[in-house]
Amino acid sequence: QQQVKQSPQSLIVQKGGISIINCAYENTAFDYFPWYQQFPGKGPALLIAIRPDVSEKKEGRFTISFNKSAKQFSLHIMDSQPGDSATYFCAASIRGSNYKLTFGKGTLLTVNP
Amino acid sequence: DTAVSQTPKYLVTQMGNDKSIKCEQNLGHDTMYWYKQDSKKFLKIMFSYNNKELIINETVPNRFSPKSPDKAHLNLHINSLELGDSAVYFCASSQAEGTEAFFGQGTRLTVV
Repeated sequence: QQQVKQSPQSLIVQKGGISIINCAYENTAFDYFPWYQQFPGKGPALLIAIRPDVSEKKEGRFTISFNKSAKQFSLHIMDSQPGDSATYFCAASIRGSNYKLTFGKGTLLTVNP
Repeated sequence: DTAVSQTPKYLVTQMGNDKSIKCEQNLGHDTMYWYKQDSKKFLKIMFSYNNKELIINETVPNRFSPKSPDKAHLNLHINSLELGDSAVYFCASSQAEGTEAFFGQGTRLTVV
């Protein structure tokens, strides 16, 4: 049972464009939703995270939009740059779950110059 | 100064061998994890330790045995390696629930 579904699997965007990656979850007990960025040969690194008490969080060019009723959240990368080319993972966890992060399957983003 | 370091970075070994991967974090975190990333890049938690105590064991074969000598170290020992164990193994740490997990650079294990 895949608890966090991520789409698309891959995404190609032109430099300066907007990249949008979507995630949907099933378990309404999830209460922490981070996005991780992974470059080839490196470990995932936290990009931005949100809790369900807010509908949007912005950090620089990166924005998470959160829709609690639809059980969906998305990552928007504004003014996408070639250096943003990486694999992006959404994740979710439940308070009291002993720190367990459940990841989506990842989106390979390519930003063309 | 690396926050979460794991060794080795690459490990190539034959089926049936026993191998270990070491992990150390210098962030002062109480919780450490092992994640497995398969060939399709899917990340799945295997184990987590909080203050040297096992708190998550995600139905991993008992050929995999984590050991935490202290809260800054979490090693992974794998017995009788199988072809299907080939993957990238990531160590991670975090301070508290619902906070950032810091990942190591990964260990690419190839079983031939």
